[in-house]
Amino acid sequence: DIQLTQSPSFLSASVGDRVTITCRASQGISSYLAWYQQKPGRAPKLLIYAASTLQSGVPSRFSGSGSGTEFTLTISSLQPEDFATYYCQQLDSYLRTFGHGTKVEIK
Amino acid sequence: EVQLVESGGDLAQPGRSLRVSCAASGFTFDDYAMHWVRQRPGKGLEWISGISWNSGARHYAESVKGRITISRDNAKNSLYLHMNSLRPEDTALYYCAKASGGDLAAVGIPFDSWGQGTPVTVSS
Repeated sequence: DIQLTQSPSFLSASVGDRVTITCRASQGISSYLAWYQQKPGRAPKLLIYAASTLQSGVPSRFSGSGSGTEFTLTISSLQPEDFATYYCQQLDSYLRTFGHGTKVEIK
Repeated sequence: EVQLVESGGDLAQPGRSLRVSCAASGFTFDDYAMHWVRQRPGKGLEWISGISWNSGARHYAESVKGRITISRDNAKNSLYLHMNSLRPEDTALYYCAKASGGDLAAVGIPFDSWGQGTPVTVSS
């Protein structure tokens, strides 16, 4: 199975900060990676797929990059509504595994 | 507007069976693969199963393989998850999710819509 390791698991940041989350795959997955946002008590929401393609309606302050085994999600200027948990998911294997999540909290 | 509404979550005893359902609307259901993802209390997302548009392919996570069956009824726009031999570690919120394509074997297909989940508690 393809394992995904997200880092950090938790980060504390202020409104306006630039935030970067990393997701590393245990084997190469080309660009077959998605990022989701989940707020407490809510369903996950697709932010980015194909490593860097922004889902329709997602603000442009979100961006993704990477290929192979290392990927990043960047929020260019953190907004109050961005405090949430972020998950990466590999879409290369039919076992569509998720990373363990990165919780972004207010400093 | 895409809507996915899960139901059927319940309190069940260990060893018993349970079926949860997902009613879909707002899109052509039989064009898309569908998945089940669960989230244990306070934990992360765990993909557990997927089914292709025509039920021709089904896949399961190792953690549930042999104990669960995914199915769909395209005439009823519904997705199902039948769980047998329930264990306390199956306690979770169960989400159905729509893939953005129909072929389960296709790579790179994200989950573009999610329901709100149905809670399953396994306890004696």
